[in-house]
Amino acid sequence: AQRVTQPEKLLSVFKGAPVELKCNYSYSGSPELFWYVQYSRQRLQLLLRHISRESIKGFTADLNKGETSFHLKKPFAQEEDSAMYYCALSQSNAGNMLTFGGGTRLMVKP
Amino acid sequence: ETGVTQSPTHLIKTRGQQVTLRCSSQSGHNTVSWYQQALGQGPQFIFQYYREEENGRGNFPPRFSGLQFPNYSSELNVNALELDDSALYLCASSDARGGFAGELFFGEGSRLTVL
Repeated sequence: AQRVTQPEKLLSVFKGAPVELKCNYSYSGSPELFWYVQYSRQRLQLLLRHISRESIKGFTADLNKGETSFHLKKPFAQEEDSAMYYCALSQSNAGNMLTFGGGTRLMVKP
Repeated sequence: ETGVTQSPTHLIKTRGQQVTLRCSSQSGHNTVSWYQQALGQGPQFIFQYYREEENGRGNFPPRFSGLQFPNYSSELNVNALELDDSALYLCASSDARGGFAGELFFGEGSRLTVL
């Protein structure tokens, strides 16, 4: 069975510092990986997906199949990045059935 | 374009009762999925409906059931409520084509408390 682990419940950094939110997964096939974000008083929304290889709001994430990781990174954190971040995995050909990690709360201090 | 809407937003039930939660999909979306999010945890997949048929189910007992209607709106029914069913229930719609994972659009959720 697939599993997604986000080892940090809370990550606190100062504005302008680099950010790395960790995500590790276990899945025997070829997964699709996502990062979803929930800002205060907003609904859960897609931030980025590995297949599109985009940089969204300055965030990037690289799928490392050898280490089974999909860490989310941003070189310079902004206060508006403060939010709850969830890493998620979809099995190949499984449509939109996602397995989520437990989430990491990012706090960016001024 | 109308987003995903869920009702009710909050409700309280007692053990053994039954509950129905409702979801209206985003316009043009043909797939709806339901997730349970317990306090302090990530969402957990319950099941998914595509064109009115269940086409995927997570590790939830049969007392969790659902429906999708021709207009792609959906219901989640939970029978014989247990205390551990207390959670935020999220509905998400998407336009799934050919099995490729599309973006999920979430509602704000229905918070269920079981006493």
